[in-house]
Amino acid sequence: DTGVSQNPRHKITKRGQNVTFRCDPISEHNRLYWYRQTLGQGPEFLTYFQNEAQLEKSRLLSDRFSAERPKGSFSTLEIQRTEQGDSAMYLCASSSGRARDQPQHFGDGTRLSIL
Amino acid sequence: DQQVKQNSPSLSVQEGRISILNCDYTNSMFDYFLWYKKYPAEGPTFLISISSIKDKNEDGRFTVFLNKSAKHLSLHIVPSQPGDSAVYFCAASAGYSGAGSYQLTFGKGTKLSVIP
Repeated sequence: DTGVSQNPRHKITKRGQNVTFRCDPISEHNRLYWYRQTLGQGPEFLTYFQNEAQLEKSRLLSDRFSAERPKGSFSTLEIQRTEQGDSAMYLCASSSGRARDQPQHFGDGTRLSIL
Repeated sequence: DQQVKQNSPSLSVQEGRISILNCDYTNSMFDYFLWYKKYPAEGPTFLISISSIKDKNEDGRFTVFLNKSAKHLSLHIVPSQPGDSAVYFCAASAGYSGAGSYQLTFGKGTKLSVIP
């Protein structure tokens, strides 16, 4: 069973640049989630997809952030005009919708550093 | 307003003894609770979960207890092993009933150190 895969693992960019991250969920998981984690904090929810539909968005997801899951498989998270405060670990998770008590399984994240 | 609280930032336990990690929540809509373990430079790894219809769930050395009236859950690790040293996160969602959100709300974590 292949786990959740995230690319790249690290991204360093200058303030004001756009960045895009990719997440490949566990096969056949129809639910996909994005979280952000900063130092000393637990992960914070950003957005959730069921298949290709984006069903929930956090208020943390400003208009500079956009996420897609075009075919209900992999997902991308784009941040436009990056700011210093965007520096964080971006985590993707997936879960099955077959039963109610299905845990979310996380990838190893993409660490974003804004210079 | 922190809806999930882990009030102990760190915990040290001797190898072979019991580790007890605690978590409190404030949102009455939460009905599904999970514990994750995290090593540096890795994503959180799922350990064990419990739904609000139960008060205890066991999986090998790990047991989670849920006290709904106190809005409190705990993770027991017996016996503790050096490989258990990691940061442990408590998380909660309102998705078990199907009527609430599936998003997880996390605590800030407890760093467990198991001393050989």
